[in-house]
Amino acid sequence: DGGITQSPKYLFRKEGQNVTLSCEQNLNHDAMYWYRQDPGQGLRLIYYSQIVNDFQKGDIAEGYSVSREKKESFPLTVTSAQKNPTAFYLCASSTGGAGTDTQYFGPGTRLTVL
Amino acid sequence: GNSVTQMEGPVTLSEEAFLTINCTYTATGYPSLFWYVQYPGEGLQLLLKATKADDKGSNKGFEATYRKETTSFHLEKGSVQVSDSAVYFCALTDGSGNTGKLIFGQGTTLQVKP
Repeated sequence: DGGITQSPKYLFRKEGQNVTLSCEQNLNHDAMYWYRQDPGQGLRLIYYSQIVNDFQKGDIAEGYSVSREKKESFPLTVTSAQKNPTAFYLCASSTGGAGTDTQYFGPGTRLTVL
Repeated sequence: GNSVTQMEGPVTLSEEAFLTINCTYTATGYPSLFWYVQYPGEGLQLLLKATKADDKGSNKGFEATYRKETTSFHLEKGSVQVSDSAVYFCALTDGSGNTGKLIFGQGTTLQVKP
């Protein structure tokens, strides 16, 4: 089955630690996205990538980093510089960067900072 | 920049009631419009979309019409079921070029009681 997988489903980290969230897709999509979801605030874009080896900052990139070395993978690192990292993180992909393209979402990773 | 506003929730309905969730937007150009649904603990799924004015998107009994004159994309369903209980997000394309970026509303929680 084609789709997007995110791991782990739940993640706990201590303050001051970096943590990497995995996102893998087997849909052969060129574009991938990372969003952060907080209660009552909808989704906010962290980073996006329209092609391998290229990515751009979204609206809330501070304290996060990404890489896009392979078409199917777009890992997100939450660094210790992110002041409020506790949130639900969603990865998405689409066939390209066109405005009509549907974004397909993974099941999400819930990160909690202890 | 483009923006979207959804009616605040939660919306509580009895089974078989009529549903309307309001969504209005501000945008330059001609954005594409989307409704996504999120079931508890899961990622988002595309419910329906419309890519140009007067288009009607429909799926699983839900409908929404792209109204350019009123800048609206209200979600409707004639008879809701308990299984429709979820959070519904209205979204539109960013408008800042062909990036595929989406801007999401804050979400509206729907609870359907038997």
